[in-house]
Amino acid sequence: GAVVSQHPSRVICKSGTSVKIECRSLDFQATTMFWYRQFPKQSLMLMATSNEGSKATYEQGVEKDKFLINHASLTLSTLTVTSAHPEDSSFYICSARGARSYEQYFGPGTRLTVT
Amino acid sequence: SQQGEEDPQALSIQEGENATMNCSYKTSINNLQWYRQNSGRGLVHLILIRSNEREKHSGRLRVTLDTSKKSSSLLITASRAADTASYFCATDARVEGTYKYIFGTGTRLKVLA
Repeated sequence: GAVVSQHPSRVICKSGTSVKIECRSLDFQATTMFWYRQFPKQSLMLMATSNEGSKATYEQGVEKDKFLINHASLTLSTLTVTSAHPEDSSFYICSARGARSYEQYFGPGTRLTVT
Repeated sequence: SQQGEEDPQALSIQEGENATMNCSYKTSINNLQWYRQNSGRGLVHLILIRSNEREKHSGRLRVTLDTSKKSSSLLITASRAADTASYFCATDARVEGTYKYIFGTGTRLKVLA
């Protein structure tokens, strides 16, 4: 099956700093990528959808200026958490979909801790 | 709410018993997937069932899909302690012109040895 990687797997940062998380599709071209957030003991909540070369579409309640998404190539999307605060501490998971597929493939997730 | 509903929210059973989890969703779908997640870890894909399928098996897993009721169930037979995890359904739903996976609320399964 298709492989999606995320980097880093874990990151700890200080309050007020920005953190970038990368999501890569390793063996297919991902025309659409999705970013999810998961708080402890909760389900995954979709944050935004991005199509290669265009602006991301954010779900209701997600601040686009705080969570910057860039999908500049068919194999890479980045999520930047700007001016991170402790309440942004969460598990961030990306997924990717190819042009001819309805299936999404999920990355292993990035655990962000903001101190 | 963007989420589907799963029940039960939590389930505790003895090793060897069967565990059944149910998922209900809101929109028409292309497919539905079940995932397992161990505490603090990533998702493990278990099984995908397409909208034109009614039942699918994989090892000790059996998934059913009833599109008329917009519901699915996951049955784990002869459970093991290692099956302890959270289980999520995810529906590939068309929302405002885009297909995206929407997750259910999850079932936390505990299998007691």
